[in-house]
Amino acid sequence: SQQGEEDPQALSIQEGENATMNCSYKTSINNLQWYRQNSGRGLVHLILIRSNEREKHSGRLRVTLDTSKKSSSLLITASRAADTASYFCAPGESGAGSYQLTFGKGTKLSVIP
Amino acid sequence: DTGVSQDPRHKITKRGQNVTFRCDPISEHNRLYWYRQTLGQGPEFLTYFQNEAQLEKSRLLSDRFSAERPKGSFSTLEIQRTEQGDSAMYLCASSYDEQFFGPGTRLTVL
Repeated sequence: SQQGEEDPQALSIQEGENATMNCSYKTSINNLQWYRQNSGRGLVHLILIRSNEREKHSGRLRVTLDTSKKSSSLLITASRAADTASYFCAPGESGAGSYQLTFGKGTKLSVIP
Repeated sequence: DTGVSQDPRHKITKRGQNVTFRCDPISEHNRLYWYRQTLGQGPEFLTYFQNEAQLEKSRLLSDRFSAERPKGSFSTLEIQRTEQGDSAMYLCASSYDEQFFGPGTRLTVL
């Protein structure tokens, strides 16, 4: 499996602003998943985007995927203090029998009230 | 609650003791995974089951670690002769497609 690399490592914004975080990967993928983790808690699944999709929305979340650039972005609109968390991307390799996910260090988002 | 559950949520043990954690996956999911996460890092894969068969094991899974999934339902992860370096959050996930994670078991080895 391959690791997604999130960028930036840390992001601090005011409540109400939009937050954008990016993910890069190295080889072909079937899909890419985004997760959120509040401090000391388990991971919450946010969105899965498949390799034949370019954009996907869920509430205030918008995920894009550019397979030619091997990158994905997660946009959180109108951020809230409750969005403060670490965000991880997890690329799913194509053609692989392995289902394990490999995580980077994530983007630590702080939303200031 | 039909999500992934883990028990216990916290475990404090002395070095050299054995510990066992349990994971109950989402009932219709045939795949179950164990990950370990230390402070400031993303989760690291440990092992994976499809039904009752353990199909992958990470090199991180030393001989002191063993995982089982009898009857393809719940799973247990046992750590024998714990070391201070085993202190971490142990996460379980299950999937049919997307992986859904449980709340984790935080292990502290004194």
